[in-house]
Amino acid sequence: GAGVSQSPRYKVAKRGQDVALRCDPISGHVSLFWYQQALGQGPEFLTYFQNEAQLDKSGLPSDRFFAERPEGSVSTLKIQRTQQEDSAVYLCASSLVRHTDTQYFGPGTRLTVL
Amino acid sequence: GNSVTQMEGPVTLSEEAFLTINCTYTATGYPSLFWYVQYPGEGLQLLLKATKADDKGSNKGFEATYRKETTSFHLEKGSVQVSDSAVYFCALSGAGSSNTGKLIFGQGTTLQVKP
Repeated sequence: GAGVSQSPRYKVAKRGQDVALRCDPISGHVSLFWYQQALGQGPEFLTYFQNEAQLDKSGLPSDRFFAERPEGSVSTLKIQRTQQEDSAVYLCASSLVRHTDTQYFGPGTRLTVL
Repeated sequence: GNSVTQMEGPVTLSEEAFLTINCTYTATGYPSLFWYVQYPGEGLQLLLKATKADDKGSNKGFEATYRKETTSFHLEKGSVQVSDSAVYFCALSGAGSSNTGKLIFGQGTTLQVKP
């Protein structure tokens, strides 16, 4: 079946622009995670949803970062007034039911802020 | 807080050589431990996992044993192939009722296998 998909795969933004990154989890998966991966580093947790509820947003680096999952399926990560330090690959992962189930990752969106 | 430390790469081996990638962790309670792999141009994939002490995870010839006494989860393979060339990430997920399942990753180790 289809895996986790993310769009766009690549995004170039000028500093100060707003961007929106989309994640389509595996159908029926309850849990959804966002991670940020800087070049040469491991992914770092941003936020977690169980269905439409955002249960953990402790990893969001600033109030410029906002995530939503209004219908408990597709999720959008929005970054306002982008800065150069926001340049990274943004990964989405979903898991079946419990947050302890295996997480399946999407291919990521590479964001470059000029 | 919880953290994961991996050996630095890159690791360069000849085909059929023995592989070890070291991973140690710091965590409260009893975390679950994972190895993820990222092949060139592909997304992160779960390679293996272990959820309690002394468990051994295995997949595709790779193995790792959850060692609580040494807080380690070293990845091993007896005979690597060129197709194993990838970046390997060690990760943990915390235990307890407050655990959200978020993964904490090491910095990754690049493995290059030469024919």
